[in-house]
Amino acid sequence: NAGVMQNPRHLVRRRGQEARLRCSPMKGHSHVYWYRQLPEEGLKFMVYLQKENIIDESGMPKERFSAEFPKEGPSILRIQQVVRGDSAAYFCASSLSISNQPQHFGDGTRLSIL
Amino acid sequence: AQTVTQSQPEMSVQEAETVTLSCTYDTSENNYYLFWYKQPPSRQMILVIRQEAYKQQNATENRFSVNFQKAAKSFSLKISDSQLGDTAMYFCAFMKQETSGSRLTFGEGTQLTVNP
Repeated sequence: NAGVMQNPRHLVRRRGQEARLRCSPMKGHSHVYWYRQLPEEGLKFMVYLQKENIIDESGMPKERFSAEFPKEGPSILRIQQVVRGDSAAYFCASSLSISNQPQHFGDGTRLSIL
Repeated sequence: AQTVTQSQPEMSVQEAETVTLSCTYDTSENNYYLFWYKQPPSRQMILVIRQEAYKQQNATENRFSVNFQKAAKSFSLKISDSQLGDTAMYFCAFMKQETSGSRLTFGEGTQLTVNP
């Protein structure tokens, strides 16, 4: 079984550009979570999605950030008009739809803003 | 809201020795799960061990075991016979019990170095 796949592994953007981060969950997993890890810090929850639904976006910044998990295809975390402070590692995790299952993480996308 | 505190930013241990990493948490929930994740230099997040709050028995996974004290809201990780490959950042995490999925709340991490 392939694990959680995130791409790209590294993404470089200039200030003001858009960043799109992709996450394909493990086979059979229908829950996706996005976390952000700033340098020298722990992971902070951003958003929790199920297919075609945002369940909890309480950790998402109110502006410039959006996430989706369409019926077909990967989950996308989109950051518009990136700023230097968006530089971080962005991790995706997935879990089964059965309650209280552990989350399995991808390798993360390291976003660098020039 | 839940909070997770790891009071040891860095620890070191000699190869083959035992080390304990501390974690405390604060919650008003009665049903929840606790986890330890490992993040080696490769930056992957690897699940080490999981504990259900309703279970009194401490979880163990080979050389890794926990000391779960629910009343004290403490959840420490013991690594026995430490190996060089155990060098990593270790994160303690809390998850509320829900009917479906639930977010993880992480501590700030403890950087463990195993010395030869």
